[in-house]
Amino acid sequence: ELKVEQNPLFLSMQEGKNYTIYCNYSTTSDRLYWYRQDPGKSLESLFVLLSNGAVKQEGRLMASLDTKARLSTLHITAAVHDLSATYFCAVENTGGFKTIFGAGTRLFVKA
Amino acid sequence: NAGVTQTPKFQVLKTGQSMTLQCAQDMNHNSMYWYRQDPGMGLRLIYYSASEGTTDKGEVPNGYNVSRLNKREFSLRLESAAPSQTSVYFCASRGGGGQVYGYTFGSGTRLTVV
Repeated sequence: ELKVEQNPLFLSMQEGKNYTIYCNYSTTSDRLYWYRQDPGKSLESLFVLLSNGAVKQEGRLMASLDTKARLSTLHITAAVHDLSATYFCAVENTGGFKTIFGAGTRLFVKA
Repeated sequence: NAGVTQTPKFQVLKTGQSMTLQCAQDMNHNSMYWYRQDPGMGLRLIYYSASEGTTDKGEVPNGYNVSRLNKREFSLRLESAAPSQTSVYFCASRGGGGQVYGYTFGSGTRLTVV
């Protein structure tokens, strides 16, 4: 059974600092996603990672995937207040269609 | 605007009442999904439809039924609502083909069962 664990679940950081969110999953998967959710809003797709060693970057966010370790990271560089949100990783089971979400990391960036 | 449209946005039900949540997408996507979101638990998959005419159970299907009416529409029905079904419900869709994209989510339905 596919399980997805994120840590930390809550992160409070100062503007300008760097930090990493971790996403571990339990079984083989071909696809990993990162989403952002603002309070009271829907989810927005950030990254899709498809292969071992994949790295994608958008602004101050960079996501990577290590399929052998079953680990993805979302690295935040020089955080700004606008990055405050909840970030979810989601892993798709091999064969597709069933995507399991982590519990989410609630990020708060203090000015 | 193109995307996923969910109705209603808010609903209060009494225990035992029934209702249907509607979802429609205009992106010609093959697969559609229903998730529920509870505090501290992320999103949990209720049902999905890989293509028109097919539906399958997800992680938490008990108490729910779905209908993939056509390629555009995928509805979720609560036959006899229970307080444990108080949640925010999201519909999502995804295209197929050679490109891989994340889901496109609707704006959500906030359901309270009293």
